[in-house]
This record gives sequence, structure tokens and C-alpha cells, in this order.
Amino acid sequence: GAVVSQHPSRVICKSGTSVKIECRSLDFQATTMFWYRQFPKQSLMLMATSNEGSKATYEQGVEKDKFLINHASLTLSTLTVTSAHPEDSSFYICSASPVSYEQYFGPGTRLTVT
Amino acid sequence: GDSVTQMEGPVTLSEEAFLTINCTYTATGYPSLFWYVQYPGEGLQLLLKATKADDKGSNKGFEATYRKETTSFHLEKGSVQVSDSAVYFCALSEGQAGTALIFGKGTTLSVSS
Repeated sequence: GAVVSQHPSRVICKSGTSVKIECRSLDFQATTMFWYRQFPKQSLMLMATSNEGSKATYEQGVEKDKFLINHASLTLSTLTVTSAHPEDSSFYICSASPVSYEQYFGPGTRLTVT
Repeated sequence: GDSVTQMEGPVTLSEEAFLTINCTYTATGYPSLFWYVQYPGEGLQLLLKATKADDKGSNKGFEATYRKETTSFHLEKGSVQVSDSAVYFCALSEGQAGTALIFGKGTTLSVSS
């Protein structure tokens, strides 16, 4: 089946630093990738839609200058949290969509900002 | 806008009990409906889906029927196992492939032996 990986799985960083999270589709090409954020005991909230070779589309309320998304190839999208603060601590999940309705999710990245 | 509402948990059951997790949706068009499962420490996995009214999705003993008249997609399993303990998310997607999913808040299921 389709596999999506994320790296790192966990990261702890100091306030003010930047963190990059990678999302890769391992055995298929994904024209579109999505970035979600999941708060404890809450649902996944869509942050942005990432299309290969073009600028990401951000959801209302998501700061595009803070959450930089790059979809450089059909198998890789990156999310960079710039100048991270404790309130950015969360579980970040990516998904990749081939040419079907289905989305395949990565295992998530736990970000803790101290 | 579109939304998904699912019953709040946690749901606690004994092994072999019957499971129902309610899910209703609001949508402007004709969405595809999904159930995803998240096991402890893992990412989301697609459990089942239905793309049009009256379709029944099924997998691993779980079933859900797309009911347009009641805008519902309730998840059921006749006999749960301890290994079914997880968080279950109902979700919808409108439009073509590559459209983002809208999730419910998730329901935690805990099954004891």
C-alpha cells in the first residue's frame, strides 16, 4: 500500500529557533500534500494544501510566514516552523494524495518548544 | 461550511460487545465519507469509505452506510476486540481528488478483556 513517512518523529527545540519537518511519499507520486495540526484530544485541523511546483494554499488563520511550506518534488513536502514559540507545540501530520479520493497519512511529528 | 460531528467519547466496552460510533455531516454537495483509525503512537489509517449515497463501506469487521436522508455515516462492529482500541475519526471530502479532508473530533474507543 501507499506509504508516507515523516521526519523527524519527535523534535524538541528552544523558543525562537526554526524547525523543519519532512513529508515523503515513498512509493507513489503526490501532486498534492496536506499539512494538518492536531491538538491533544482534538481533531485534525487543516493548515495548508501544498501543490508541487506552486505556492501552498493556507487556511484562514494560519500564518504563512510562520509556517513555510515547500513542495519541491512529487514525493517531498517540507513544513518549516519559523521562530517557534511554546504555543506552536503540537502534533503535525502530513498526508499525500495520488490521483484518487484517498489520502495517505504520515505518522506525525511531535513538536515541543521549550 | 462543511462539517462533521461525531459522538464524544471515550467509549468503553468489553470484548465482544457491539460498537456504534455516530457520525453526522453537513455538506453543500455530495461528499465522499471516510472513517480513519489512529492506533496509539501511530498515524491515521483509512478504515473504510463510501463515495455515494447508500454505499456501504466495510473493513476488518467494521461497517458504515452512507445515509443521505439522515446525513449520517455511523460506524458499527458486531464484536469488538481489545486490538480495536484506538481513536476513530469520521471525515468527509468534497470535490475531486486532492481535496482536503474535514474531520470530526475523534472518538476514543477502549476495549477491555
